[in-house]
Amino acid sequence: GENVEQHPSTLSVQEGDSAVIKCTYSDSASNYFPWYKQELGKGPQLIIDIRSNVGEKKDQRIAVTLNKTAKHFSLHITETQPEDSAVYFCAASIGNSGYSTLTFGKGTMLLVSP
Amino acid sequence: DAMVIQNPRYQVTQFGKPVTLSCSQTLNHNVMYWYQQKSSQAPKLLFHYYDKDFNNEADTPDNFQSRRPNTSFCFLDIRSPGLGDAAMYLCATSRVTGLGETQYFGPGTRLLVL
Repeated sequence: GENVEQHPSTLSVQEGDSAVIKCTYSDSASNYFPWYKQELGKGPQLIIDIRSNVGEKKDQRIAVTLNKTAKHFSLHITETQPEDSAVYFCAASIGNSGYSTLTFGKGTMLLVSP
Repeated sequence: DAMVIQNPRYQVTQFGKPVTLSCSQTLNHNVMYWYQQKSSQAPKLLFHYYDKDFNNEADTPDNFQSRRPNTSFCFLDIRSPGLGDAAMYLCATSRVTGLGETQYFGPGTRLLVL
């Protein structure tokens, strides 16, 4: 089955700096890669996703890049703010004619200091 | 506007006393999922329903059961909770597209077993 590795497990940055979280996946058939933000005591919230027919996607301060050849994808947050502090999970799935389930990475705790 | 609703948000039960957690959705999605999330870990899929078809993960304990009486509601029953079942339980929904389905999570129910 699919295996997703996520690094780093903890990331501390100063407000205004950029943050990068990286994930690798094992199954080349995976074609959908969402990123979730989870604040303490809350459910995961989708912040951005990318499909395998696209190499990069951006939404304001957040961007995701995908390298299918290397089987890795990354989350980039620019101009970080204290409210970006949370746990971020990457995930991968294989969408086909049926449906698929997500395989999550182990998460990255992002701490943004004022 | 809440889309995936979980009740209660906090549940305290006694060791061995059955407990039921509920999830409802206003998205009319055909797939509903139950995840268990322990502290500092990624969500772990327990089972999911594709319409009325139930799909159990191989490593989900028999102690966990689920019911989906209609499209909008799904229940998680823990027949005899043990101390190790204390966790956050997350419900999620998605619509099958065959292109990689975005899962939308509820706020979770935190279960405490005394």
